[in-house]
Parts: sequence; structure tokens; C-alpha cells
Amino acid sequence: DAGITQSPRYKITETGRQVTLMCHQTWSHSYMFWYRQDLGHGLRLIYYSAAADITDKGEVPDGYVVSRSKTENFPLTLESATRSQTSVYFCASTLKRGSSYNEQFFGPGTRLTVL
Amino acid sequence: DQQVKQNSPSLSVQEGRISILNCDYTNSMFDYFLWYKKYPAEGPTFLISISSIKDKNEDGRFTVFLNKSAKHLSLHIVPSQPGDSAVYFCAASHSNYQLIWGAGTKLIIKP
Repeated sequence: DAGITQSPRYKITETGRQVTLMCHQTWSHSYMFWYRQDLGHGLRLIYYSAAADITDKGEVPDGYVVSRSKTENFPLTLESATRSQTSVYFCASTLKRGSSYNEQFFGPGTRLTVL
Repeated sequence: DQQVKQNSPSLSVQEGRISILNCDYTNSMFDYFLWYKKYPAEGPTFLISISSIKDKNEDGRFTVFLNKSAKHLSLHIVPSQPGDSAVYFCAASHSNYQLIWGAGTKLIIKP
């Protein structure tokens, strides 16, 4: 199916473990983003990517690693999970900005619990 | 320091009446503003946007107003319907693809 998908949808892990959240989009959008949503904070940008092999930090990048070897995939890795990383994670994508802003399209989210 | 603020965590409105959701911002460099709607267990979906060169944008039951001097925008939903019950996020950007988000307002439409 076309669109943007995330896997897994739910994940429980333990402190110190490595976790990878997957994101896949079928629109060939240039830009992809990872956000976390916490109560009282709205969505905060973790990392973004302008194209394959181009990534950069967002507002809250510490403890996270991303890669983008293919345009359609943008995995997010927590190298050593901490309880503070318990959150809902959203992946999003958008076309390269042209004369007007292109809204971002979101996946369904991954709810991660770190025990 | 939050650059985009939604000061009302929740709002309850009678079905058929007008819903008004508010958003304030501090960065005068923001040039584009967007509203997203989010249902539980789903990702946010784009609702409506407005450029900083305009003061109003309308799309069906949804209208966004921008008051640049007050650094304030609002989303009006008329008439409100039960399916409008969701969390609404205000977001802003300045000349790039990065969005700065408010904390959201939970809208409850009462039958």
C-alpha cells in the first residue's frame, strides 16, 4: 500500500538495550523526519534527512542515531535505551520545498516503553 | 523556551456550535503556519495552513486567522461535528522544512 508506515507499532524494551524503529515511505519524498511526542511538549524533532545519505540533528538528537541509505527508508536507532526515551515516535515525510511549504505526512507512530 | 504555545490543553464545545482553537508564537520570522489534527493511535494529519502574507484562509468548515501584530493565530470550526473530536496541533516554520509545534489542544464535541 502507498503511504508511510512504521514498525513496530508497539515496543517494550529494557534500559541499555539497542532498539531500531523502522520507517518506510512509498512517495519518493525527499525529506524525512523523526519526532517524539511527549505530554505537554507537542512534537519535537529528533533527526531529519534531506535525501539519501544526508541527515542532520533536530531539537533532541542525544541518544539517537539515524541512517538513510535508500530514499524510502529512514530507521531510527536508540543505541542504549533509557527510561527518558519512553515516548511515542512519529516518522514523517515531505516533498522538497518549492514555492510554498509542503505539509508533512505522518506515519501511525511507534509507542516505545523502556523499563 | 516554547516558540509556539497552545495555552488551552482542552476545549469542550456543543455539537453544531463554533470551535475556536488558539495558538500564540514568539518568533516573528515564522512565515508559514499549519494546523494538524490527531486521533488516538494515529499520526497527525494536515488540516489547513496559512502563509504569513495572508490573514485568513478558509477550507470548508475550517478557517484559520492570522494576526501578525499579536503573533496569534486561531482555527475556527463551524459547525462543530462529533468527528472533530481530536487533538489539534499548531505548527510554524521559517523558510525551511522544520516545523515547531505547540503542545496541542484536545477538542471534545458534545452531542
